[in-house]
Amino acid sequence: QVQLQESGPGLVRPSQTLSLTCAVSGASIRSGGYSWSWIRQPPGTGLEWIGSIHQSGSTYYNPSLGSRVTMSIDESQNHFSLKVTSVTAADTAIYFCARESNTMYNYFDPWGQGTMVVVSP
Amino acid sequence: DIQMTQSPSSLSASVGDRVTITCRASQSVVTNLNWYQQKPGKAPKFLIYSTSTLQAGVPSRFSGSGSGTDFTLTINNLQPEDFATYFCQQGYIGPWTFGQGTKVEVK
Repeated sequence: QVQLQESGPGLVRPSQTLSLTCAVSGASIRSGGYSWSWIRQPPGTGLEWIGSIHQSGSTYYNPSLGSRVTMSIDESQNHFSLKVTSVTAADTAIYFCARESNTMYNYFDPWGQGTMVVVSP
Repeated sequence: DIQMTQSPSSLSASVGDRVTITCRASQSVVTNLNWYQQKPGKAPKFLIYSTSTLQAGVPSRFSGSGSGTDFTLTINNLQPEDFATYFCQQGYIGPWTFGQGTKVEVK
């Protein structure tokens, strides 16, 4: 059974870089043809896909975040990471990591429990 | 980007009711439409993919239908554990986008 767990600072100062890690257990991050994704949810609102990284290392990001997003995979640790630069209060959200299906349907399953990140001075 | 619009934003229902939630895409997503359930303080749970295919373990009282731009999630015989917020998501054209959610509340 694949499980995901996010970790990282809960508070980030404006203009700084948000860095999160998602640990994957129960499967190798480099097998199965999956992509690994980040999705966020501002308080009380809906879900926004941030981007995904394929097991090969290729990435695709939501253009809404422009060039502020970088994702990477650490095969030795079996985890993947997210960096968002130049954060503002608008980046305050619960950040979820999830596995993206290896089919044409591009759904997310399973998800991590989520981690709250607040951007504040 | 493909905009996903759900209606209603919230609804009140009783145990045993039949509930219908609608999701509309701003352009055709063919049948590449997925559904999730989220309870307060929890991560979304994946329910349905490709419009109508239930994920393993999802009760058969859940069903999905539609194609193109209009989709429906139906819950028959609503159970206490079904009170939650439901999101649709299109996986047809990136960036992947979600509806704003429909909260199913106790009447």
